[in-house]
Amino acid sequence: GAGVSQSPRYKVAKRGQDVALRCDPISGHVSLFWYQQALGQGPEFLTYFQNEAQLDKSGLPSDRFFAERPEGSVSTLKIQRTQQEDSAVYLCASSSVGAGRRSDTQYFGPGTRLTVL
Amino acid sequence: GESVGLHLPTLSVQEGDNSIINCAYSNSASDYFIWYKQESGKGPQFIIDIRSNMDKRQGQRVTVLLNKTVKHLSLQIAATQPGDSAVYFCAENRGTSYGKLTFGQGTILTVHP
Repeated sequence: GAGVSQSPRYKVAKRGQDVALRCDPISGHVSLFWYQQALGQGPEFLTYFQNEAQLDKSGLPSDRFFAERPEGSVSTLKIQRTQQEDSAVYLCASSSVGAGRRSDTQYFGPGTRLTVL
Repeated sequence: GESVGLHLPTLSVQEGDNSIINCAYSNSASDYFIWYKQESGKGPQFIIDIRSNMDKRQGQRVTVLLNKTVKHLSLQIAATQPGDSAVYFCAENRGTSYGKLTFGQGTILTVHP
């Protein structure tokens, strides 16, 4: 596709529910990142994939957060037993090269706004 | 912990003026810096980047300046237009091999017609 797409754009969940957020990166992009953006703040790193390998998950806030990219393309961020503090915009970004090429542009999707009631 | 931060949370200018948005960073290992523009309801949009071996880089109506001595980054927008109104973030790669970005808090730029 022309850019990174994410779905759904908006998600409202009741506390305790599980949610799944989808990211479709730019076709052929090797690297995929997930970021969390709280209201009025800059994005914060959650996790990184190079193809299907999750090389860094140091930013995931708890074991309720899980991400996967099984075929090295589409990625899903899953949050189990959602809490109110999980409310944020979840951004996905992709870049064309993998580890070893540090200075490569990351292109962001529009994000999924998650509201936990 | 160390972070990328912004001196000015808001900036208001008149259409046609030049805008300067500043950013301070503290990590000496940072080797790549990017400016992103984020409009309401959208994801960050790449504006311009600069590597640590450069002091200045120019794009269309935008210039990024990097002062490694004082760990300062700035974005200059020439002839600011109402469409430039957005939140601007600086971000840095602190030397990771895969481009993990650390973002600053953001500056709200408002351009008045």
